[in-house]
Amino acid sequence: KAGVTQTPRYLIKTRGQQVTLSCSPISGHRSVSWYQQTPGQGLQFLFEYFSETQRNKGNFPGRFSGRQFSNSRSEMNVSTLELGDSALYLCASTPGLTNTGELFFGEGSRLTVL
Amino acid sequence: AQSVTQPDIHITVSEGASLELRCNYSYGATPYLFWYVQSPGQGLQLLLKYFSGDTLVQGIKGFEAEFKRSQSSFNLRKPSVHWSDAAEYFCAVVVNTNAGKSTFGDGTTLTVKP
Repeated sequence: KAGVTQTPRYLIKTRGQQVTLSCSPISGHRSVSWYQQTPGQGLQFLFEYFSETQRNKGNFPGRFSGRQFSNSRSEMNVSTLELGDSALYLCASTPGLTNTGELFFGEGSRLTVL
Repeated sequence: AQSVTQPDIHITVSEGASLELRCNYSYGATPYLFWYVQSPGQGLQLLLKYFSGDTLVQGIKGFEAEFKRSQSSFNLRKPSVHWSDAAEYFCAVVVNTNAGKSTFGDGTTLTVKP
């Protein structure tokens, strides 16, 4: 079974631009979560999607948004990029109807904002 | 405040030596507990999980963890460390499965000396 796939793996943007990151979950997994990882703040929960609906959201500004498609693939978007948005963005999928915390992570998308 | 604490930022052990990484949580009820490992430039991989039952859980790669309710701890152990175990290790908890959010500790970086 293929793992969680994230694209792109690396990208560089400038302040004020926007970025879209993509995540394909493990086949059969319907829940997709996004996390931001930085050296200063560690791993922080962004949001969770299940069956095309945002089921939970973390404490991030509205510049951070996401969506999920009918095939469970998910995208997240960050608009009006700031230097502090530089981070590793990790996507994780989970089996089952409830997110018990058993997360299967992709390798991440490393965003650098200049 | 509710939190997950990994007291050791960095640990160095010799190859073949035993390892114990500490994790403490501060929540009213017993959460679901997890250990993940992250190699440089990679996503996180689930090592093991505790939901209920036997307090000693076995995971992949020869790791085990013991849940101690009285100490609010979930320490990770390995009897004999291999050079390939060098990585960053994260303890995580899920308090409310409806919230869809895992809370991670700050991580412990393991260095293995030859």
